Amino acid sequence: QKEVEQNSGPLSVPEGAIASLNCTYSDRVSQSFFWYRQYSGKSPELIMSIYSNGDKEDGRFTAQLNKASQYVSLLIRDSQPSDSATYLCAGTRGSGAGSYQLTFGKGTKLSVIP
Amino acid sequence: DVKVTQSSRYLVKRTGEKVFLECVQDMDHENMFWYRQDPGLGLRLIYFSYDVKMKEKGDIPEGYSVSREKKERFSLILESASTNQTSMYLCASSPNLAGGDTQYFGPGTRLTVL
Repeated sequence: QKEVEQNSGPLSVPEGAIASLNCTYSDRVSQSFFWYRQYSGKSPELIMSIYSNGDKEDGRFTAQLNKASQYVSLLIRDSQPSDSATYLCAGTRGSGAGSYQLTFGKGTKLSVIP
Repeated sequence: DVKVTQSSRYLVKRTGEKVFLECVQDMDHENMFWYRQDPGLGLRLIYFSYDVKMKEKGDIPEGYSVSREKKERFSLILESASTNQTSMYLCASSPNLAGGDTQYFGPGTRLTVL
């Protein structure tokens, strides 16, 4: 099993709808999880971080973590065309020196249709 | 704001050349990372460093080396460039040693090896 898995998409949603991005992870990944947004030709930028089970909301974005199911998700409410990008899910590996490392999924491409 | 800069946005080199990619961060971060990003393969960790003069191999260190003589600067070296090292190279930094702190990315260097 890959450490972090995402559906590559593309995921298409109409403007104003909720976009739901999902990510599963293996036993080698733990502690902290991150969602990055990457526009074409640009570098990743942090959207959300989540460290404990449950939901975390920031504006139109909600991250959800379920450690029992090894599942992380990102909901984008009132999706805008400017949200069209690739979304990368990442988690930390283990502890000690390994916890400095993030392991990334391959990303889900989101298209918001006006 | 955290700022991570990379020496070049685009670079074209010939097979067999020695290539230096430079990364500088201005936030006194302990950790620095080098990734490459390829279509279909996602972000892969090449090397990272958690202190000056310290380095750790990532997932794909073969064909690369690194240098960190000063805290703010982390260099990636391709001793003898090959065409399969054509890629987008991303540098990142993070402020803490434990728990998987947020990584901040530079703008990337698109390297083409002919």
